[in-house]
Amino acid sequence: GAGVSQSPSNKVTEKGKDVELRCDPISGHTALYWYRQRLGQGLEFLIYFQGNSAPDKSGLPSDRFSAERTGESVSTLTIQRTQQEDSAVYLCASSPYSGANVLTFGAGSRLTVL
Amino acid sequence: KQEVTQIPAALSVPEGENLVLNCSFTDSAIYNLQWFRQDPGKGLTSLLLIQSSQREQTSGRLNASLDKSSGRSTLYIAASQPGDSATYLCAVSPGNTGKLIFGQGTTLQVKP
Repeated sequence: GAGVSQSPSNKVTEKGKDVELRCDPISGHTALYWYRQRLGQGLEFLIYFQGNSAPDKSGLPSDRFSAERTGESVSTLTIQRTQQEDSAVYLCASSPYSGANVLTFGAGSRLTVL
Repeated sequence: KQEVTQIPAALSVPEGENLVLNCSFTDSAIYNLQWFRQDPGKGLTSLLLIQSSQREQTSGRLNASLDKSSGRSTLYIAASQPGDSATYLCAVSPGNTGKLIFGQGTTLQVKP
């Protein structure tokens, strides 16, 4: 597609349930990033993938968070045993390569944990 | 630990005014600094990127400056328009990756 696509756009879940958020990057972009934006806050880096290199997971807040990427395409962010503090907008971005610093962001997935 | 702060948190101006948004960062060892625009329900749009060796960048009515030694950047918007209403985010990159450290943003409202 022309841009970064994320799904679902909105997700409401109950505390303790697992959720999966999906990101389709721009075709040909080798670098993919996940960020989290809590209400009224700036974006927090979570994880990034660059080609076949080991992902940089340094921003994941706990072991309940994980992410996978299939080759240089789709990525899935999984949050296990969701907590209310996980409520946020989760934004995905891609770039031609990690050194490009020109990120194209998706519209985000808004997660609400009740 | 790098921290990015944006002042003010919110700003409301009448159409046509020139305005300045401020961004400060605690660690001057940055690779570059970017200004983004965020509209409700949409992703971020990159407005200007300033490399650490540069002092400013301009795009249309927007001008961003960078003073790395003092840890400050400003985004100047000339002749503001209602369509400029959005949240503006400043982000620094500690290295040549897309791992950005964001400020909390300034929400701008331009009234017709």
